Amino acid sequence: EAQVTQNPRYLITVTGKKLTVTCSQNMNHEYMSWYRQDPGLGLRQIYYSMNVEVTDKGDVPEGYKVSRKEKRNFPLILESPSPNQTSLYFCASSFQGAGYTQYFGPGTRLTVL
Amino acid sequence: AQSVAQPEDQVNVAEGNPLTVKCTYSVSGNPYLFWYVQYPNRGLQFLLKYITGDNLVKGSYGFEAEFNKSQTSFHLKKPSALVSDSALYFCAVRDAVVSNAGNMLTFGGGTRLMVKP
Repeated sequence: EAQVTQNPRYLITVTGKKLTVTCSQNMNHEYMSWYRQDPGLGLRQIYYSMNVEVTDKGDVPEGYKVSRKEKRNFPLILESPSPNQTSLYFCASSFQGAGYTQYFGPGTRLTVL
Repeated sequence: AQSVAQPEDQVNVAEGNPLTVKCTYSVSGNPYLFWYVQYPNRGLQFLLKYITGDNLVKGSYGFEAEFNKSQTSFHLKKPSALVSDSALYFCAVRDAVVSNAGNMLTFGGGTRLMVKP
């Protein structure tokens, strides 16, 4: 089944404790993105990747890192999480042939205390 | 810079009545436009998109949207609403030219659709 998977789905952590949210897609898509969803603000793009080893900042990259060492994986790293990073995070993948239609993962709800 | 506006936080409609969820956009070049739906505690599901061609786009679950270049709008419509259509709807835009947008997809703030029996 074609899908985007994220882990963990739920995470409660404390300020400053490094964490990684994994994202994997099995559709061989070249593009992958991370978004955060906050009430009233919609989805805002954090980082995106146009292919392996090619990443770029989105609208709200501060406090986040990403890497794209393999085509299928695009982990999101919070080196020192803060409470303002409490949010719902979505990973997505897309490819040019589908007009860049984004295929979303199920989401990761992160709470930073 | 590209942007999307969804002017209504919530739209209320009675079951069986037509519904419209509004979206206006701004891009420097030609737009690729998308509608996504989010059901409670779920991820986003693709509904429909406009890339080029016919201004009226038909999508999943009986939804359609009309691209209006002069009004820079892409309103989502359905002739007869169902209670099960109640969800959060997002409009999104990207520039058709990759060099203008990279893979930037900009979302609106979302509109909650409430369909009452």
